[in-house]
Amino acid sequence: ETGVTQSPTHLIKTRGQQVTLRCSSQSGHNTVSWYQQALGQGPQFIFQYYREEENGRGNFPPRFSGLQFPNYSSELNVNALELDDSALYLCASSLSTANEQFFGPGTRLTVL
Amino acid sequence: RKEVEQDPGPFNVPEGATVAFNCTYSNSASQSFFWYRQDCRKEPKLLMSVYSSGNEDGRFTAQLNRASQYISLLIRDSKLSDSATYLCVVRGGFTGGGNKLTFGTGTQLKVEL
Repeated sequence: ETGVTQSPTHLIKTRGQQVTLRCSSQSGHNTVSWYQQALGQGPQFIFQYYREEENGRGNFPPRFSGLQFPNYSSELNVNALELDDSALYLCASSLSTANEQFFGPGTRLTVL
Repeated sequence: RKEVEQDPGPFNVPEGATVAFNCTYSNSASQSFFWYRQDCRKEPKLLMSVYSSGNEDGRFTAQLNRASQYISLLIRDSKLSDSATYLCVVRGGFTGGGNKLTFGTGTQLKVEL
């Protein structure tokens, strides 16, 4: 196992609700990246956090936001959920921004 | 045009066969290249990095052609346990994207008895 954990493992929400997903990075890793993987697609980059600051963002609307804490764990928040937000959300931690990314098991979000 | 393009498959091959996957990428400024493996409903895991000189890891050989922006993966002597989705991945070269990984849609491989 990678040592990266995510919670919850599964989640069901309804349209318009808000959700918070959590990620604990591997010990010693200061960088966390978040990805969205829709069914049948590859993961899509949402954003990356390095030492508590956002360090790059993909093509996602502002209702996708994040945080990184002093212990380098991270949260992904999604407001005003839409049906198309249904996906597997993956976080990946790395020693620093240019190092290998180790993925957690993901949170499967279903929006009804 | 997608940033990373792959044939989605599925590739159904008999055990022991040799199978090749190809991938093209659009951003010539991309800096690093990888193949990831993803089992059904699991997270992606790094299979191998890809270099211009070509690199081999057991039954797996990867090759990068920067001029053609083309990446390949060859699997020899396929095993049942090789059944998975293989994701072509590039990193870097995108303004404002940090060191994001850009994934292809993945190529599904099924190895059969």
